[in-house]
Amino acid sequence: GIQVEQSPPDLILQEGANSTLRCNFSDSVNNLQWFHQNPWGQLINLFYIPSGTKQNGRLSATTVATERYSLLYISSSQTTDSGVYFCAVDANGGSQGNLIFGKGTKLSVKP
Amino acid sequence: DGGITQSPKYLFRKEGQNVTLSCEQNLNHDAMYWYRQDPGQGLRLIYYSQIVNDFQKGDIAEGYSVSREKKESFPLTVTSAQKNPTAFYLCASSIGGTRHEQYFGPGTRLTVT
Repeated sequence: GIQVEQSPPDLILQEGANSTLRCNFSDSVNNLQWFHQNPWGQLINLFYIPSGTKQNGRLSATTVATERYSLLYISSSQTTDSGVYFCAVDANGGSQGNLIFGKGTKLSVKP
Repeated sequence: DGGITQSPKYLFRKEGQNVTLSCEQNLNHDAMYWYRQDPGQGLRLIYYSQIVNDFQKGDIAEGYSVSREKKESFPLTVTSAQKNPTAFYLCASSIGGTRHEQYFGPGTRLTVT
């Protein structure tokens, strides 16, 4: 089945710094989503981005489907950005929409 | 106020007991999903349902059962056959069809001792 790898596994930033999180996947995809898991476990939708570029405030994402990777950019990080960021994909030919998750990037933003 | 609700937030059970986790959505979504998350890991699919009265096994269905009698409800039963039931369980839904953006509920933390 499709493999999803995220890097780096851990990231520590000073408040105000910028960061780039990466997601590589091993096959072509129908769907790619980025989530932020907060300290209480809630998964918050950040982007639905099977291809192209999107921006939402300080966050933006780019997926290059032909090269099988996606990037999540966080600018001017804040302590509230801390948590785990997951990339998840639904593979072309996969079974009806279920997502395959990477292991996540744990981000800690220090004041 | 549309969304996905899961109850309870925390659940404690003794080994050998079956337990049912609730998932309800009022988003009018056709598809619903159950995932399991273990510490430091991503989510893994247990079961999913694209329409009422139909559901399919995911990657780790052994020891679990589900039903889908209503569009808005997709309860998960963790049976005594599940070898390592202690985990964080998340329910999700999506419109279905060709668009599969999934939205998640707040989760239930199950502890079995």
